[in-house]
Amino acid sequence: GESVGLHLPTLSVQEGDNSIINCAYSNSASDYFIWYKQESGKGPQFIIDIRSNMDKRQGQRVTVLLNKTVKHLSLQIAATQPGDSAVYFCAPPCLYNFNKFYFGSGTKLNVKP
Amino acid sequence: NAGVTQTPKFQVLKTGQSMTLQCAQDMNHNSMYWYRQDPGMGLRLIYYSASEGTTDKGEVPNGYNVSRLNKREFSLRLESAAPSQTSVYFCASRLTGPNEKLFFGSGTQLSVL
Repeated sequence: GESVGLHLPTLSVQEGDNSIINCAYSNSASDYFIWYKQESGKGPQFIIDIRSNMDKRQGQRVTVLLNKTVKHLSLQIAATQPGDSAVYFCAPPCLYNFNKFYFGSGTKLNVKP
Repeated sequence: NAGVTQTPKFQVLKTGQSMTLQCAQDMNHNSMYWYRQDPGMGLRLIYYSASEGTTDKGEVPNGYNVSRLNKREFSLRLESAAPSQTSVYFCASRLTGPNEKLFFGSGTQLSVL
């Protein structure tokens, strides 16, 4: 199954700087990855996804990079804003039961004004 | 366009009391999920339902039961609440296909005294 960490590390950045949030996964057969954003008091919301046949995908101010060799995902946020303060989760589905949907260890992003 | 609706939003129970958390989705999704999130922690999968009439255990099923009443509704029951079940509970439904993703409810904050 998946290995996921549960304790949330924290990343503090200055407003206007770029943020990089990292996620490691253990399931080498995962072919689809999603990043979610969870604001305080709310449920997680979809931000961006990437398939394993891609190395990079860009959205509005966000870019996701996938390194399959080392099983690593990163989410880059350009010109970080106070509204970006949230917990960010990556999600690869479980190989052994495609219906299970485990989340990777989240990262709390604090944006300092 | 309600998406995923959870009730109640807040609940306080005494140890040993029982209650059911309700979840409904209006997106015609087959799969639904229940997660719990403890303070400063990530999401942990309690139970999921791949389709109407089926349920299966996730990472932390002990102390919980679920019912997939129909395609729209997936309830989570605590038969005898314990302080360790104090948490925020999130229900989600899953859009399957090439761009699959989870849609989350706004959560139920449960305190067990």
